[in-house]
Amino acid sequence: GNSVTQMEGPVTLSEEAFLTINCTYTATGYPSLFWYVQYPGEGLQLLLKATKADDKGSNKGFEATYRKETTSFHLEKGSVQVSDSAVYFCALSDRGSSNTGKLIFGQGTTLQVKP
Amino acid sequence: DTEVTQTPKHLVMGMTNKKSLKCEQHMGHRAMYWYKQKAKKPPELMFVYSYEKLSINESVPSRFSPECPNSSLLNLHLHALQPEDSALYLCASTAGGWTEAFFGQGTRLTVV
Repeated sequence: GNSVTQMEGPVTLSEEAFLTINCTYTATGYPSLFWYVQYPGEGLQLLLKATKADDKGSNKGFEATYRKETTSFHLEKGSVQVSDSAVYFCALSDRGSSNTGKLIFGQGTTLQVKP
Repeated sequence: DTEVTQTPKHLVMGMTNKKSLKCEQHMGHRAMYWYKQKAKKPPELMFVYSYEKLSINESVPSRFSPECPNSSLLNLHLHALQPEDSALYLCASTAGGWTEAFFGQGTRLTVV
């Protein structure tokens, strides 16, 4: 079945450090891939997306590239800020037979950025 | 407008109470979802409505009863819940099966 694996957290960085959160997936069909961010006490916000191989999603300084050959969608940011502290979820939506829009989430990675 | 609105934001209910969670979107999306999220875990899908019809029930106990009165509204009726049902309940909507989901802020439910 479809699945998403994220690197274990928590990740603790100093402000202005480089961020990488690894995400790999297993899927039948041709999934769309997403990164969602959840700030404390809030719902999930879409951070970025990619719908086909080699697409690069980007938003607010974050980037991720859809790599079909390595089945990966790693999240990167060149210089993190304290305000980036949150939980980050990698997710896929299978474009295959079910077409229900069901999201398969990774376990989430908690990022803490210290001043 | 890319907003999904959920009410209430917080809810405390006893095990014998009946309450309802509400969700509204005005993006013209035809698929709407209920997810349950426990602390430090990813959201878990509960129900999917597609074109106002229930298309997926992920073996959710009958004390949770979803309802989709029209294409913009989604309700979750709660009855005889257990303390372990305490969680963040998230509503989401999508324009199609492979497009991004937009989530509401959630309802923080506590069952006492």
